Amino acid sequence: AQSVSQHNHHVILSEAASLELGCNYSYGGTVNLFWYVQYPGQHLQLLLKYFSGDPLVKGIKGFEAEFIKSKFSFNLRKPSVQWSDTAEYFCAVNGGSGSARQLTFGSGTQLTVLP
Amino acid sequence: DAGVIQSPRHEVTEMGQEVTLRCKPISGHDYLFWYRQTMMRGLELLIYFNNNVPIDDSGMPEDRFSAKMPNASFSTLKIQPSEPRDSAVYFCASSHKRGPPYEQYFGPGTRLTVT
Repeated sequence: AQSVSQHNHHVILSEAASLELGCNYSYGGTVNLFWYVQYPGQHLQLLLKYFSGDPLVKGIKGFEAEFIKSKFSFNLRKPSVQWSDTAEYFCAVNGGSGSARQLTFGSGTQLTVLP
Repeated sequence: DAGVIQSPRHEVTEMGQEVTLRCKPISGHDYLFWYRQTMMRGLELLIYFNNNVPIDDSGMPEDRFSAKMPNASFSTLKIQPSEPRDSAVYFCASSHKRGPPYEQYFGPGTRLTVT
């Protein structure tokens, strides 16, 4: 079965610091990759997605992610975080050895940005 | 596009009562997913439907939980009888035919509290 690992459970940064959140998935052939964000008290919103083409994907709010197939990774980055980026971030994958439509989520990384 | 609609947004009920959560997926989407989110267990997939047919209900915790999708624009998740450990936020999500990558769009969730 497909699995997703997010090794950082809680990240604390000061405003303007750079961000990188790790995401690794288990091998299973061709996969589609996603990052979702959940602001406090809200639902999950899609930040960005990758399914083919340029492995560097740009999303909303200045976020980007890089798909490195050889490392089974899809790390999320932002060059300069803001207080408003405080949220929980989830990496997810579909396809591969799992269902093409069912998402497998990581356990999430809580990001706290200090003003 | 109104997005995924869920009702009620908040539900407080006493143990033993029946609870019905409702979801309207985005028009034209052919997959519908029900998730439960708690601090302890994170985000869990309960059940999902394709073209109104349940595909995988292996995540449904026990027989007290049931879900239906009588038509393409409406689904319910029912808990009968409810227990305090069912307290959680329940999300509905849908995804469309076009793809890959078949990203899912989440509703605002129903916060259920069972006392």
